[in-house]
Amino acid sequence: NAGVTQTPKFQVLKTGQSMTLQCAQDMNHEYMSWYRQDPGMGLRLIHYSVGAGITDQGEVPNGYNVSRSTTEDFPLRLLSAAPSQTSVYFCASSWRGFLYFGEGSWLTVV
Amino acid sequence: GDSVTQMEGPVTLSEEAFLTINCTYTATGYPSLFWYVQYPGEGLQLLLKATKADDKGSNKGFEATYRKETTSFHLEKGSVQVSDSAVYFCALSDPGDYKLSFGAGTTVTVRA
Repeated sequence: NAGVTQTPKFQVLKTGQSMTLQCAQDMNHEYMSWYRQDPGMGLRLIHYSVGAGITDQGEVPNGYNVSRSTTEDFPLRLLSAAPSQTSVYFCASSWRGFLYFGEGSWLTVV
Repeated sequence: GDSVTQMEGPVTLSEEAFLTINCTYTATGYPSLFWYVQYPGEGLQLLLKATKADDKGSNKGFEATYRKETTSFHLEKGSVQVSDSAVYFCALSDPGDYKLSFGAGTTVTVRA
């Protein structure tokens, strides 16, 4: 049972580059979300989706795009990377109020 | 909006010591409360939860009681082990809402 799978685990980007963080879950959960984790700030919600074809913004959506074409996948796109987007990114899916997290993607923007 | 405040770390303890991590919340309704744990290099795992006032969540020797009168959900463990070294996050969600509001996290280090 894979649960929530994120790729890549580590990535270094140059300022202005774009990239996509992949997230897939095999639990058939309708709700999925992306968080970023920064020191002293806990986790902050970037975007979330309550089902295929439906997405919405969280607390810190600027600079990120998402789409949800299938129940399983919820990719996060950085349009033009900035050093302020250096962070650890976590994807999560939810069922009955419980969040199941992926192992995280460490992103550095130089 | 809803928010969670938890004690700042880092916290360093000796094995078998008593651990308390304070967590208080602000919410308009009756939220569900959670403690998540993050071991080094890993994602977050649900440690325990409580969904209504006076509920006690427990798991792996950790406990937390939902105190509506003090809007608190403090995490406790009577005798910590080195393997409990991790970052602990308090979080809340409104009823029927999947979104979580997290505290800043408390880093706990247990020394042998």
